[in-house]
Amino acid sequence: DADVTQTPRNRITKTGKRIMLECSQTKGHDRMYWYRQDPGLGLRLIYYSFDVKDINKGEISDGYSVSRQAQAKFSLSLESAIPNQTALYFCATSDPDRRTDTQYFGPGTRLTVL
Amino acid sequence: QQQVKQSPQSLIVQKGGISIINCAYENTAFDYFPWYQQFPGKGPALLIAIRPDVSEKKEGRFTISFNKSAKQFSLHIMDSQPGDSATYFCAASMTRGGKLIFGQGTELSVKP
Repeated sequence: DADVTQTPRNRITKTGKRIMLECSQTKGHDRMYWYRQDPGLGLRLIYYSFDVKDINKGEISDGYSVSRQAQAKFSLSLESAIPNQTALYFCATSDPDRRTDTQYFGPGTRLTVL
Repeated sequence: QQQVKQSPQSLIVQKGGISIINCAYENTAFDYFPWYQQFPGKGPALLIAIRPDVSEKKEGRFTISFNKSAKQFSLHIMDSQPGDSATYFCAASMTRGGKLIFGQGTELSVKP
């Protein structure tokens, strides 16, 4: 969905490096999420934010941090990357005012930590 | 703790056949059960969803069957087509709770 963009789309880095993944949305949604996808494990929630002043840990937040710079921007940081953080990362948004709880996903960032 | 368990992990179906993917959940407070479809290189996208006040929801060739007492729900794809080849995720959440708990995913391959 072009309304949710992620940069970079692919990144190869080395152990110990600091990495930032960025997410921007033009959907006007208050809620934003970061997930990681691993084969056989599905999508697991890292952090979520229900508005600019609200940040919450998900089920696998250790080793990650986030920043909600504006309603439209939500960044995920790996302070010191390690190989088991190699995964596909997705940003998503949702609108709490709609009857459905549909989440709209970005195209993903493939991160490889060597 | 995996609150939503999905099976099978992979599925191969012939064109025209029925694809069936199953999910089971633990938290009885869940009241929204969506299925997401993901094509290679893309993010997941909502396919169909159900709330527990109904036992079945159909949209075209896609049907969700819901069994509240068994805490299970399943996705049926009728007349499966090669274009249905994708990864499917079930999920669960509490209404307006925002957080989706996803299953492990099923990679579906429909052979011509």
